[in-house]
Amino acid sequence: AQTVTQSQPEMSVQEAETVTLSCTYDTSESDYYLFWYKQPPSRQMILVIRQEAYKQQNATENRFSVNFQKAAKYFSLKISDSQLGDAAMYFCAYRRSTGTASKLTFGTGTRLQVTL
Amino acid sequence: SAVISQKPSRDICQRGTSLTIQCQVDSQVTMMFWYRQQPGQSLTLIATANQGSEATYESGFVIDKFPISRPNLTFSTLTVSNMSPEDSSIYLCSVEDVAGSSSSYNEQFFGPGTRLTVL
Repeated sequence: AQTVTQSQPEMSVQEAETVTLSCTYDTSESDYYLFWYKQPPSRQMILVIRQEAYKQQNATENRFSVNFQKAAKYFSLKISDSQLGDAAMYFCAYRRSTGTASKLTFGTGTRLQVTL
Repeated sequence: SAVISQKPSRDICQRGTSLTIQCQVDSQVTMMFWYRQQPGQSLTLIATANQGSEATYESGFVIDKFPISRPNLTFSTLTVSNMSPEDSSIYLCSVEDVAGSSSSYNEQFFGPGTRLTVL
C-alpha cells in the first residue's frame, strides 16, 4: 500500500521569504503522480502543483516549485515570495497513474503560517 | 475545470440520526469520490462512486453506514447513518475530470465540503 508522510505539522515563514515543505512517500509503482494541495480555512481543496513520476524535470507553477527525487521517494514544495494568502494547510498526495485506483492518498498535512 | 457544490455546507445532528449530503457537478464526470476529514486530520477516501454501478468502499467503510447513490453523471449523495460523535468530520466530494482532449491525465477537483457535528 502506498503511504505519504509529512513530518512537519507546522511551518512559519515571513512574508516575501521562501519556505520549503517536505514530503516522503512509499510505493512499489514506477509510474504515478504526486500533488500538493492547499486547504485554506474555507476548506476548499485547491491543487497547487502536480508532478508526473516519469518526468525528470521538476514542476513549476509561478511562485511554487517542487523538488522531486524519485529514487529517494522525496517530494518537496518550495514557495517563493510568500504571501499572506499562502497561509493554509498543505497536503502532499499520491495517485497511481493507471487503472481504477484513481484515489488520492494524502499525507497528514503541514499548516503554514505567514507572518508580516 | 469542474465546479462542485455540496449541500448542506454544515449541519449539527443528534446521535442516532442520519444525514444525506448532496454533491452536484456542473459537468458530466465519470468518477466521483467521497472523502472524510476528521478534525485536524488528513483526508481519507470513503468510497468511489461510478454512475450505474455500486459504489466501491475502502477498508473500514461499509455500505450500511455510508450508503451512496449515483443516479447520473452530475450528482451523488452520501448518507451518514446512525450517527455518533465519532462521525463528526468534514465530508468532501471529489470528481475526476478530463484535463484536456490530448491529455491522459484526469485532474481531481474537490467540493467545498460539508462540516458535520454530531452531538
